[in-house]
Amino acid sequence: IAGITQAPTSQILAAGRRMTLRCTQDMRHNAMYWYRQDLGLGLRLIHYSNTAGTTGKGEVPDGYSVSRANTDDFPLTLASAVPSQTSVYFCASSRTGEGEQFFGPGTRLTVL
Amino acid sequence: AQSVTQLGSHVSVSEGALVLLRCNYSSSVPPYLFWYVQYPNQGLQLLLKYTSAATLVKGINGFEAEFKKSETSFHLTKPSAHMSDAAEYFCAVSFNAGNMLTFGGGTRLMVKP
Repeated sequence: IAGITQAPTSQILAAGRRMTLRCTQDMRHNAMYWYRQDLGLGLRLIHYSNTAGTTGKGEVPDGYSVSRANTDDFPLTLASAVPSQTSVYFCASSRTGEGEQFFGPGTRLTVL
Repeated sequence: AQSVTQLGSHVSVSEGALVLLRCNYSSSVPPYLFWYVQYPNQGLQLLLKYTSAATLVKGINGFEAEFKKSETSFHLTKPSAHMSDAAEYFCAVSFNAGNMLTFGGGTRLMVKP
């Protein structure tokens, strides 16, 4: 693994189903983030974690949950998917106190 | 609250022409500013960042940006566009060196032959 990996690459999901998007980084970064990207809106922060064991809410947290059991993994869960959660989801990480965030390749999620 | 506005969701230039992508921010404290590029079906990649050192920042692929506090701007430029520059570009702002980024809506750059 080099950098950040996300799985799955894409997914079509029925409304009401539960879904977990996976994110793993091998850079030993303290901070990790989940964003959603929607046309014309740029990237909006869903949840973040400044260090293992802690999480926080971003701009658009409703309908999503995260956990940070260790440094490397930061899964994002949709407990009961709705069509408005159709989006491209990006995971990112950074060293605490540094400017650059490193992004994964994204997961394209379609909720029908 | 901090916010970022990118003027122009689409910009089209001819190959070899000047590229100018506009970004204005609002922030109650001195900001950290970033430009990211996103190629089709990929994640975001850092082009350059301003963190209160030199106001003219040089990045990868010949891009640069100038921080102008009086204009609250951080426009991205490149003297001569190349076909490979076609991508979406995002400006972002942070209070504290990047732990929380606020992104602009993005500008899609198209380069005509």
